[in-house]
Amino acid sequence: KNQVEQSPQSLIILEGKNCTLQCNYTVSPFSNLRWYKQDTGRGPVSLTIMTFSENTKSNGRYTATLDADTKQSSLHITASQLSDSASYICVVSQITGGFKTIFGAGTRLFVKA
Amino acid sequence: GAVVSQHPSRVICKSGTSVKIECRSLDFQATTMFWYRQFPKKSLMLMATSNEGSKATYEQGVEKDKFLINHASLTLSTLTVTSAHPEDSSFYICSASKLAGAYEQYFGPGTRLTVT
Repeated sequence: KNQVEQSPQSLIILEGKNCTLQCNYTVSPFSNLRWYKQDTGRGPVSLTIMTFSENTKSNGRYTATLDADTKQSSLHITASQLSDSASYICVVSQITGGFKTIFGAGTRLFVKA
Repeated sequence: GAVVSQHPSRVICKSGTSVKIECRSLDFQATTMFWYRQFPKKSLMLMATSNEGSKATYEQGVEKDKFLINHASLTLSTLTVTSAHPEDSSFYICSASKLAGAYEQYFGPGTRLTVT
C-alpha cells in the first residue's frame, strides 16, 4: 500500500533552535517528493521538490534530504523563527500511467519565544 | 510566477443552498487543477482532478452530483457544493499544475465554508 508517514506528529521548539522533521514513504514507482509549509487557514506553499536522483535541496533556512534507497526524507529547519510555526507536509508522487499524489498527515511545528 | 487565487476566502451559507468556489491560475495556464478538502488538524484529501475541457475525475467516496466541478478554461476551475449541509463545512483548497499530471502543484489560499 502506498503510504507517506511523517514524524513527529507535533513538535515544540524554542526560537533560534534547529529541528528536523522526518518523512518515510512506501510509494512506488517513485516520481518526486515535495515538502510544503501550511500556515493555519492558508493553502500549502512549496518549500522543496526532489526527484529520484537528488539527495539534498535547500531553500533558505530549509534543507530537505532524500534517500531513495531507504525511502526516507527529512526537512531540516535552521535557526527557527516564530513565523516557522506551521504544518509541514511531505508529499510523494507516484507514476502510474499518470501521476498520483500521496500526502503525509503533516508535522505541526510550534516555535516559542 | 505560479500564483493561484481562490474566491471567496470565506463563505457562510444556509443548509440547502448551493455555493460556488472559484480557483484561478493568475499568471500561468493550468492544464490540470485539483480540489482538496481539509478537516481541522488533518492533511489534505483529494476530492477530484480536472483537466481543461473534460470531465473531472472524482476520488472514491466523493459524490460527483454533490460536488460539481467545472474546468472551462486553462485559468479557471469552479467547485459548486450543491444543497450544502452542515457536514459539508470544511476548508476547500484548489491547486493547479502547468503540465498534465501533478508534477508540481501550486496551491490556492483555500476557502473556508461554513454551512449553518
